Amino acid sequence: QPVLTQSPSASASLGSSVKLTCTLSSGHRSYIIVWHQQQPGKAPRYLMKVEGSGSYNKGSGVPDRFSGSSSGADRYLTISNLQSEDEAHYYCETWDSKDHVIFGGGTKLTVL
Amino acid sequence: QIQLVQSGAEVKKPGASVKVSCKASGYTFSKYAISWVRQAPGQGLEWMGWISARNGDTKYAQKFQDSVTMTTDTSTGTAYMEMRSLSSDDTAVYYCARVTYYYDNRGYYGSDYWGRGTLVTVSS
Repeated sequence: QPVLTQSPSASASLGSSVKLTCTLSSGHRSYIIVWHQQQPGKAPRYLMKVEGSGSYNKGSGVPDRFSGSSSGADRYLTISNLQSEDEAHYYCETWDSKDHVIFGGGTKLTVL
Repeated sequence: QIQLVQSGAEVKKPGASVKVSCKASGYTFSKYAISWVRQAPGQGLEWMGWISARNGDTKYAQKFQDSVTMTTDTSTGTAYMEMRSLSSDDTAVYYCARVTYYYDNRGYYGSDYWGRGTLVTVSS
């Protein structure tokens, strides 16, 4: 079963860019992942699906500032021109061959 | 627009059961599955299981195999999650999420739209 590893925290300045990483465990480098954003006190929100090829598919209404990419076992979420409302937890999701779902531990992003 | 509207907060005593509902609108209910995810206070997301709204197939996380039952009512577009034998460790916000599921060999293909969550508090 794949394991997703995320750094517990990240920070970046208002107006700058940040790249969050979700790393797939060994043997699962080709897996698709989904990025979700959870703002304080709110439900998660779908951001995008990122494939091993690096292609990504954003959800409706997700700003252009959000993009996805991939390199090996790493799946990235890049947020450019950081805004205060981007301060949130970011979770990645994947699934195994038996359709069991796995979430990463989440990254708390602080906008300075 | 696509919405998942969940039932209201619940307070239960240890050993009791709870049933949370998730009413879908804005899409064809039977073409997707519904996943249930919980979040304990200050913690991350924990997947509980999912149910196909097309044929009722279910997949549960091993941890919840014996304590949770997921069902759907296609006539109303509503999914349900029932949890039995509650303990204080089950105090959490419970979310439903729409899932894309392909009935060819691709299978589960990720969640997208989420409900707002239902707080279940278990306390004596």
